[in-house]
Amino acid sequence: DVKVTQSSRYLVKRTGEKVFLECVQDMDHENMFWYRQDPGLGLRLIYFSYDVKMKEKGDIPEGYSVSREKKERFSLILESASTNQTSMYLCASIGPRPDEQYFGPGTRLTVT
Amino acid sequence: GNSVTQMEGPVTLSEEAFLTINCTYTATGYPSLFWYVQYPGEGLQLLLKATKADDKGSNKGFEATYRKETTSFHLEKGSVQVSDSAVYFCALDQAGTALIFGKGTTLSVSS
Repeated sequence: DVKVTQSSRYLVKRTGEKVFLECVQDMDHENMFWYRQDPGLGLRLIYFSYDVKMKEKGDIPEGYSVSREKKERFSLILESASTNQTSMYLCASIGPRPDEQYFGPGTRLTVT
Repeated sequence: GNSVTQMEGPVTLSEEAFLTINCTYTATGYPSLFWYVQYPGEGLQLLLKATKADDKGSNKGFEATYRKETTSFHLEKGSVQVSDSAVYFCALDQAGTALIFGKGTTLSVSS
């Protein structure tokens, strides 16, 4: 069974903390993505990666960075968390076929 | 740029009612189109897809037809159940790039 796992389901952090959200896939996919989901705004793309050590900015990269040191792992980093980064974060792993799209369960991050 | 527009929610229906959730898109070329579903407390699941004009995607009683002439991909189900209560997202994917999502439509079905 294919799997995309995320390191935490729920996370509470304080303003100014450095936050790491990790995503791991076991399908040997090259393409991985980070989205944030907010009510009324849908899913917005933060960053994506087409290969190890490669990264591309999405629509809302400000305040975030990413790391892809290994093919199976794609990390989202909040350098200095702020309250407006309170959100649901979803990781996706996408294969070469149109139906090869898998999402993790999401991490609900609260920044206080 | 590419974009997806879907009807605002929430949509509230009684069990066994007919469901339509409208979705239109703007894109150059020929994107693949998708409907995703997110049940309460869970991640996104691919519900159905269509990769070219006139294709009909179907799954779990849901259907959507890729209409290039109207740039639409409306989701339909003939008889909804309480278990269909969820958030539904329309999305497009062009040439293997990142998915572009609509804002989501919340469906609530009561018995």
